Amino acid sequence: DVKVTQSSRYLVKRTGEKVFLECVQDMDHENMFWYRQDPGLGLRLIYFSYDVKMKEKGDIPEGYSVSREKKERFSLILESASTNQTSMYLCASSTFGAGGPENEQFFGPGTRLTVL
Amino acid sequence: GIQVEQSPPDLILQEGANSTLRCNFSDSVNNLQWFHQNPWGQLINLFYIPSGTKQNGRLSATTVATERYSLLYISSSQTTDSGVYFCAVGRYYGGSQGNLIFGKGTKLSVKP
Repeated sequence: DVKVTQSSRYLVKRTGEKVFLECVQDMDHENMFWYRQDPGLGLRLIYFSYDVKMKEKGDIPEGYSVSREKKERFSLILESASTNQTSMYLCASSTFGAGGPENEQFFGPGTRLTVL
Repeated sequence: GIQVEQSPPDLILQEGANSTLRCNFSDSVNNLQWFHQNPWGQLINLFYIPSGTKQNGRLSATTVATERYSLLYISSSQTTDSGVYFCAVGRYYGGSQGNLIFGKGTKLSVKP
């Protein structure tokens, strides 16, 4: 069965802290994605990765960085957390394909991050 | 970029009623997915349906790619169907793996 896990369901951090959000998938997927979800704005792509050590900026990368040292793990890093980064963060993965069913994305349970 | 519009934004039903959710998109796509977001925030995959019709129990979906819309049908709704339903589309070109572009969702409330 498809499985994407995220390190925390709920997280509370202080302004200025460095924050790591971890995502692990067990499906041997090449692609991994980080989205954030905010009321009224829907889900927006922060970063994605299509291979180990490869990364591409999404629509809202400012204030974030990512790391992919192993195929199954994709980390989102908030270098200096700010209150406007309070949000729901969702990780997803998919296989590397040519636009067919292999590109179906599967999501983790999400991390609700609060920055005080 | 591709625009995705979902309607209606909110829907309230009595248990047992049927409903149709719509997703319009502004350009050709290779990927179209429907998700249900449960009260805990988890996105559950309902359908991968860039074209054609699929059915899974009380749920079915139809995508008419040439006219750039997709419909999600829920029959005999149950209180557990409550939540937000998202349509998301993606386009893959050359070596790009693209990403999903989400609509704003339809919030469904099913009353007992």
